[in-house]
Amino acid sequence: TQLLEQSPQFLSIQEGENLTVYCNSSSVFSSLQWYRQEPGEGPVLLVTVVTGGEVKKLKRLTFQFGDARKDSSLHITAAQPGDTGLYLCAGGNNDYKLSFGAGTTVTVRA
Amino acid sequence: NAGVTQTPKFRVLKTGQSMTLLCAQDMNHEYMYWYRQDPGMGLRLIHYSVGEGTTAKGEVPDGYNVSRLKKQNFLLGLESAAPSQTSVYFCASRLRGMSNQPQHFGDGTRLSIL
Repeated sequence: TQLLEQSPQFLSIQEGENLTVYCNSSSVFSSLQWYRQEPGEGPVLLVTVVTGGEVKKLKRLTFQFGDARKDSSLHITAAQPGDTGLYLCAGGNNDYKLSFGAGTTVTVRA
Repeated sequence: NAGVTQTPKFRVLKTGQSMTLLCAQDMNHEYMYWYRQDPGMGLRLIHYSVGEGTTAKGEVPDGYNVSRLKKQNFLLGLESAAPSQTSVYFCASRLRGMSNQPQHFGDGTRLSIL
């Protein structure tokens, strides 16, 4: 059973469209990270959020941590083919480990 | 700047064979992790280490053993490979401290068990 549920599992959109990926849990996390993974490579950290209600922006990507620190979302504005990849959320609770979601595969068509 | 290096990158084994996957990091990180990634299941933690000479079980440890004799290396062993262990294996490392420290991943080892 995954502690973190990501939706949708797959998302295919046209270049220039917007998209949102969700990461939900029944558990509270002290921090939430988002990673992007490209084919044949390991995940790479995009952002870490630690405060309930926190919003962080990374160019065209906007990350939000829910007020109760149980959920998060990733919104991409005007998606580009370079945004294609597997997006993973991961929750931590001030111990050694992270719990990862199953991921959302995003495909942006040119 | 190598970061986290995994060897080998690909391997095919027969059921019952043994092998060791090597992870090396050059960032002086205290914590190291082994994950497996299967379709639709994300990353699942196999074993981890919080320092040289220490290891601990993760979510799916059965069938695997690990050793951390040197700070920079973390070895994952399969004593008797089974088809259910066909997967992509990732090693990661991070600095000590709170879990909001970023994990740095290698590029994976693709392992097939026939």
